[in-house]
Amino acid sequence: DTGVSQDPRHKITKRGQNVTFRCDPISEHNRLYWYRQTLGQGPEFLTYFQNEAQLEKSRLLSDRFSAERPKGSFSTLEIQRTEQGDSAMYLCASSEENTGELFFGEGSRLTVL
Amino acid sequence: DQQVKQNSPSLSVQEGRISILNCDYTNSMFDYFLWYKKYPAEGPTFLISISSIKDKNEDGRFTVFLNKSAKHLSLHIVPSQPGDSAVYFCAASVGFGNEKLTFGTGTRLTIIP
Repeated sequence: DTGVSQDPRHKITKRGQNVTFRCDPISEHNRLYWYRQTLGQGPEFLTYFQNEAQLEKSRLLSDRFSAERPKGSFSTLEIQRTEQGDSAMYLCASSEENTGELFFGEGSRLTVL
Repeated sequence: DQQVKQNSPSLSVQEGRISILNCDYTNSMFDYFLWYKKYPAEGPTFLISISSIKDKNEDGRFTVFLNKSAKHLSLHIVPSQPGDSAVYFCAASVGFGNEKLTFGTGTRLTIIP
């Protein structure tokens, strides 16, 4: 297994457009997390899934954000009507249950013009 | 409100010497602490962790110390090597196995050959 993979690695879009990011976790991991990292900050928790169930969402995740993990494998994070403040690195991570260790992907960098 | 703080944005250390990275937290509910290391264009990778029932955990050249009364932890790297140059993030969670982590802002460590 090659680890957590994310696509695309970079996305430049105009304000108001919709964007979607995909994450493929490590295959045996049943937990999948989305974090966001802005310049000069550490990653911030957005949401997580156990299998296909979305168990928690941060208040950072506005109504314009939606995440899915339809078959308990890959996940998508969609941002509708993007704003300049959405510019950030979106990090996906996966873990086995109750190991306390996250494995991060390389991230998807979003730039909103 | 920054619940996990890394007050030194950067640190330079001579190769072979000890690197000490510091982290403070404010949330008394945190009982599991981790350090992640991040190279440019890569996602963070897990380095070492410590539970609040311990005050020290060691793994090779890396040792983490926890002072619960001061709400302070530190990461010691000895001897420091050029490959240790990276950004180090301190993170905390409530409960082992809870991968909803709260990260600090990171410290960029540069090892000088």
